[in-house]
Amino acid sequence: DAGVIQSPRHEVTEMGQEVTLRCKPISGHNSLFWYRQTMMRGLELLIYFNNNVPIDDSGMPEDRFSAKMPNASFSTLKIQPSEPRDSAVYFCASSYGTRDGYTFGSGTRLTVV
Amino acid sequence: DQQVKQNSPSLSVQEGRISILNCDYTNSMFDYFLWYKKYPAEGPTFLISISSIKDKNEDGRFTVFLNKSAKHLSLHIVPSQPGDSAVYFCAASEPNSGYALNFGKGTSLLVTP
Repeated sequence: DAGVIQSPRHEVTEMGQEVTLRCKPISGHNSLFWYRQTMMRGLELLIYFNNNVPIDDSGMPEDRFSAKMPNASFSTLKIQPSEPRDSAVYFCASSYGTRDGYTFGSGTRLTVV
Repeated sequence: DQQVKQNSPSLSVQEGRISILNCDYTNSMFDYFLWYKKYPAEGPTFLISISSIKDKNEDGRFTVFLNKSAKHLSLHIVPSQPGDSAVYFCAASEPNSGYALNFGKGTSLLVTP
């Protein structure tokens, strides 16, 4: 298996633009998580899905952030409009139902200028 | 509000010596604790875990100790090797949390030859 695949690896965008981050989880994994890493806050959970259904989105910082999982093999995290303070590394992870089973993608480094 | 705290941002250890990374938590509902290791430009990878019913778990050179009364856990690496140089994240989860993890901010370990 190729692991959790995230795209793009790097994204530079101007303030106010829409940004879409993509994630393909490991086949067979039924939980998917979006995390954001910043120097100030470390790794923080934004939202997670179980069997394609959003379970907890309390970590999503604002209404500018939205996430979808239309099927078991694809998820998106969208920021509209983007702001400089959204600059961070965004990680997607998937799991097959155990707390040891998290597999992270390599992340998307987002820079909003 | 950070429920998992890693108060040492960095640690430097000589090759062959013991590395001790510390983690404190505030949520008494946490019942499972994990350590993840992260290299630059990669996602975190699972290293070792411990359930709250245990006070020690060992896997090769890595041992995690849990002190529930102090709400403290530590990761010991013996002997330390240059390849262990990475950022180490402590994480914890509650039962019935859907496997969502709360992470600390990480400790950057440098093992010098």
